[in-house]
Amino acid sequence: GQQVMQIPQYQHVQEGEDFTTYCNSSTTLSNIQWYKQRPGGHPVFLIQLVKSGEVKKQKRLTFQFGEAKKNSSLHITATQTTDVGTYFCASPLQGAQKLVFGQGTRLTINP
Amino acid sequence: NAGVTQTPKFQVLKTGQSMTLQCAQDMNHEYMSWYRQDPGMGLRLIHYSVGAGITDQGEVPNGYNVSRSTTEDFPLRLLSAAPSQTSVYFCASSYWGRDAEAFFGQGTRLTVV
Repeated sequence: GQQVMQIPQYQHVQEGEDFTTYCNSSTTLSNIQWYKQRPGGHPVFLIQLVKSGEVKKQKRLTFQFGEAKKNSSLHITATQTTDVGTYFCASPLQGAQKLVFGQGTRLTINP
Repeated sequence: NAGVTQTPKFQVLKTGQSMTLQCAQDMNHEYMSWYRQDPGMGLRLIHYSVGAGITDQGEVPNGYNVSRSTTEDFPLRLLSAAPSQTSVYFCASSYWGRDAEAFFGQGTRLTVV
């Protein structure tokens, strides 16, 4: 099964509302990556978190890595229609190179 | 610099037919992988390769074969297509290393009837 569980599966918000998606793992992760997939498109890398408790920001997006390195979140402040898409977290399987993805959170926005 | 190129973009197969999905990258990446994407299932790893001549299974390898004869190419073969293999397939590549970001191709939408 997948190493990382992602919730929620779907989220619909009004434009201007905030949005958060969460990834959780039962094992310690070496790092966590976040990707965005626009409708009809392919996943595109957003950011990587490596350190315990790390917080990174990209404009209205805030990424956090938990202190135990078992969970992570992506928060979008004041969503815009350009934020529509599916957000995935991903992490290398322990002891291996292969990258395993969460189920993704599909974000839709009412303008 | 084209990145990761997948062909074809769309394909319809009849049950039992075979075909090869092509993937090529021009970034000299050691690591290449194939994922399938189904609604509600996210991206599931089919096969991956850490270099020419080396391949290994991912989470859902059954029904698929791969080979890696060159650094650039990583084709995915369906030997006998089944309706359960209807999906969107993505090829990805990255440098070797656990911190490497993955670059994805545009995807192949496959329908098996």
